Amino acid sequence: NAGVMQNPRHLVRRRGQEARLRCSPMKGHSHVYWYRQLPEEGLKFMVYLQKENIIDESGMPKERFSAEFPKEGPSILRIQQVVRGDSAAYFCASSPEQENYGYTFGSGTRLTVV
Amino acid sequence: RKEVEQDPGPFNVPEGATVAFNCTYSNSASQSFFWYRQDCRKEPKLLMSVYSSGNEDGRFTAQLNRASQYISLLIRDSKLSDSATYLCVVNRRDSGYALNFGKGTSLLVTP
Repeated sequence: NAGVMQNPRHLVRRRGQEARLRCSPMKGHSHVYWYRQLPEEGLKFMVYLQKENIIDESGMPKERFSAEFPKEGPSILRIQQVVRGDSAAYFCASSPEQENYGYTFGSGTRLTVV
Repeated sequence: RKEVEQDPGPFNVPEGATVAFNCTYSNSASQSFFWYRQDCRKEPKLLMSVYSSGNEDGRFTAQLNRASQYISLLIRDSKLSDSATYLCVVNRRDSGYALNFGKGTSLLVTP
C-alpha cells in the first residue's frame, strides 16, 4: 500500500511562472490536506479537501493560490505568478473518512522561486 | 494567542537522560491531540496520539490536561536517534479533521 505520493520532489520556477504541485492520497483515504513550511518555520495549514469539495481554505492566501481534488486523479495545489516568498516546502497529507487518528504525510515538494 | 504554542528549545541532553516537552493550545473545544516528529527537511511523522487518561508507547509518555489546555511529552532513556523536532498538534476549530501544528521543540541527544 503506497503512502501519500507527492510530485515533483523539487520544483524550480522563475518569478511570474506557475507552479503545480500534485498529491495522491493513500489508497482508501478521501481527505487531503495541504501545508506549507517556510524555512525555519512551522507547518502552516493551507487547505482541507475531500473529493470535489473544498472543506476549509482559511489558510490559503487570498490571491494566486488555488487547490482542487477532482473525482479522478490527484489533488493539485496551484500557485500562479510565483514570487520569491513562495519558496517553501509544501506537504500534503491524507486521512481516511470518519477517523481522526492523525495524518500520513507525503515527502513534500520543495519549491524554489528564482 | 497562538493556537498551539511550544518552547522551541533547543533541548540538548545526554544519552540516557529523561526529557519533557510541553505545549499549550488555545481552543478549549479541541478533541484530538497528537505528537509528531520531524527530522531535518523531511516530512512530519506521527509519533503518538494523546488521550485524556494519558498514554505510553515504550519510552514515550504523553499527557493531556484539558482544564489547563496543556499537553506534554516525556521521553525516557533518550537515544541519539531521538534527535529531531517534536511537533505538538491539535485539531482546528470547527474543521473536523484538519490539524494545527505547533512550531516544534528541537531535541539534540548527545553521546
